[in-house]
Amino acid sequence: EIVLTQSPATLSLSPGERATLSCRASQSVSSYLAWYQQKPGQAPRLLIYDASNRATGIPARFSGSGSGTDFTLTISSLEPEDFAVYYCQQRSNWPGFTFGPGTKVDIK
Amino acid sequence: QVQLQESGPGLVKPSQTLSLTCTVSGGSISSGGYYWSWIRQHPGKGLEWIGYIYYSGSTYYNPSLKSRVTISVDTSKNQFSLKLSSVTAADTAVYYCARGDATTIDYWGQGTLVTVSS
Repeated sequence: EIVLTQSPATLSLSPGERATLSCRASQSVSSYLAWYQQKPGQAPRLLIYDASNRATGIPARFSGSGSGTDFTLTISSLEPEDFAVYYCQQRSNWPGFTFGPGTKVDIK
Repeated sequence: QVQLQESGPGLVKPSQTLSLTCTVSGGSISSGGYYWSWIRQHPGKGLEWIGYIYYSGSTYYNPSLKSRVTISVDTSKNQFSLKLSSVTAADTAVYYCARGDATTIDYWGQGTLVTVSS
């Protein structure tokens, strides 16, 4: 089973700052990695698929990179609505999905 | 725009079977190309994928839940359903239905909280 770890667990930043979130897989997942944003009381929303492709309607300040075992989600300049929990998800050992434990981005 | 809506009891007694239905609008389950999933989130915790069904009826379940899970589809009603048997308090969670392809999950329902308690 492929295990995803995310770091840091919590990231405290101010609006306008750059956020860099990490997701590491216990073995290669190629580029089959997605990122989701979840706000309190809401369902997750797809941000990035296949490691670096923005989903429909996602602002350009969100970008993803990486392949193999190490991936990064970058938010270039945090907007107030970006404070949320972010999850990575892999499907390399299809069928089935697994999620990372999440990174909470909160206001400093 | 695809929309998914979960429905079912919000309270289930221990040892009983949890049953939820997801109604899909804005797209047809039988058109193919997508996997229809159930995902849950324990209070204050992360996301756990439960399983999926394809329009043909093919299913795959999370090995950790496989012995207790059944997912079925009713294409005539554009719905798919989850049954989780022998529930305990550890099954208390928000349950989401969702649509995905082979790599990602692109549409989610709003989620429904199911509490297991006597």
